[in-house]
Amino acid sequence: QKEVEQDPGPLSVPEGAIVSLNCTYSNSAFQYFMWYRQYSRKGPELLMYTYSSGNKEDGRFTAQVDKSSKYISLFIRDSQPSDSATYLCAMRPGGSYIPTFGRGTSLIVHP
Amino acid sequence: EADIYQTPRYLVIGTGKKITLECSQTMGHDKMYWYQQDPGMELHLIHYSYGVNSTEKGDLSSESTVSRIRTEHFPLTLESARPSHTSQYLCASSRTGALGTEAFFGQGTRLTVV
Repeated sequence: QKEVEQDPGPLSVPEGAIVSLNCTYSNSAFQYFMWYRQYSRKGPELLMYTYSSGNKEDGRFTAQVDKSSKYISLFIRDSQPSDSATYLCAMRPGGSYIPTFGRGTSLIVHP
Repeated sequence: EADIYQTPRYLVIGTGKKITLECSQTMGHDKMYWYQQDPGMELHLIHYSYGVNSTEKGDLSSESTVSRIRTEHFPLTLESARPSHTSQYLCASSRTGALGTEAFFGQGTRLTVV
């Protein structure tokens, strides 16, 4: 079993929809949680990071962490075609700087 | 936007050639990383460095080597390229601290060995 599980998709939604992207994990030592966005043939771009459980909002993006369920989510409101990309979750323990990545979810927002 | 640069962006090279993938960052980050990414798959850590003259192998076995002589520079070398090395190579950097220390990535080098 992989430490971080993420459905690869693709997830196809109409413009304006609310998107929910999710990851589950098995390592209870993970304390830092990140979401990266990766456009085709580009490097991953850090979108959001959170520490421990709770919510964090940044514009149209909300990151949510539920450590009791070992489940993290990224919500995108009012999705745009420019949001079409692969979204990777990543997480790491408190004593390590090296994250473990999910395989990414491909998101397609069609006009 | 992250100030981390990788060259070349694309490289097609013959089997047996020696290649060096360059990575530089201007953010003063002490930590640097090399990841390998195949289409639709996770990023796999192949090398990392926590500072000058410090390098370690990552989780994924790799025939490449790295060096860290300067803080800003972290090149990756393949002594003899093989078709199995065909992949995307991503360089990243981060700083030491409590929060806000997550990794920033370069644009990647897409390597094809023929």
